[in-house]
Amino acid sequence: AQSVTQLGSHVSVSEGALVLLRCNYSSSVPPYLFWYVQYPNQGLQLLLKYTSAATLVKGINGFEAEFKKSETSFHLTKPSAHMSDAAEYFCAVSEGYGNKLVFGAGTILRVKS
Amino acid sequence: ETGVTQTPRHLVMGMTNKKSLKCEQHLGHNAMYWYKQSAKKPLELMFVYSLEERVENNSVPSRFSPECPNSSHLFLHLHTLQPEDSALYLCASSLEPNTEAFFGQGTRLTVV
Repeated sequence: AQSVTQLGSHVSVSEGALVLLRCNYSSSVPPYLFWYVQYPNQGLQLLLKYTSAATLVKGINGFEAEFKKSETSFHLTKPSAHMSDAAEYFCAVSEGYGNKLVFGAGTILRVKS
Repeated sequence: ETGVTQTPRHLVMGMTNKKSLKCEQHLGHNAMYWYKQSAKKPLELMFVYSLEERVENNSVPSRFSPECPNSSHLFLHLHTLQPEDSALYLCASSLEPNTEAFFGQGTRLTVV
């Protein structure tokens, strides 16, 4: 069965600094991988997804993630943090189209001015 | 606008009350889901419906009763809840089961 581990339940960065949120996955088959963002009192919004095409995936709001099979990782990055990026971020994995989505525990990103 | 609308946004209910959560999607999707999000716990999938048929029920207590009258609407009927059921309940939909999900804004439920 697939699983997701998000390293660090809280990450704090300064405005303008690099954002790096870590996600490692376990899957018995080539996975589909997702990053979602959740703002306070809101639902989850899809940031980006990897479905076996290009390994570097660009998403909304300047975020991108790179699929690294050898490291079983799908870390989320953004070159320059903005105050509006403060939210909780969830990594999710499924074992291909039509298979169950499993979510990580989430990482809360704080952006300091 | 996510295309998935949940009502009410907030609900406070007593342990002996009966209430229902409503979810509506305007995306033409065939699958709908209920998730429970509690503080400091991973997102928990509760129910999955595909073309109005329940395809997954993850050991959810019977005090939660889902209903899917058509592919655009999903309800979660609640009765005799416990304080530990207080959480954010999220509805989602996807084109097919277990593909990319679109979420509603959630209902914040407090059981007193």
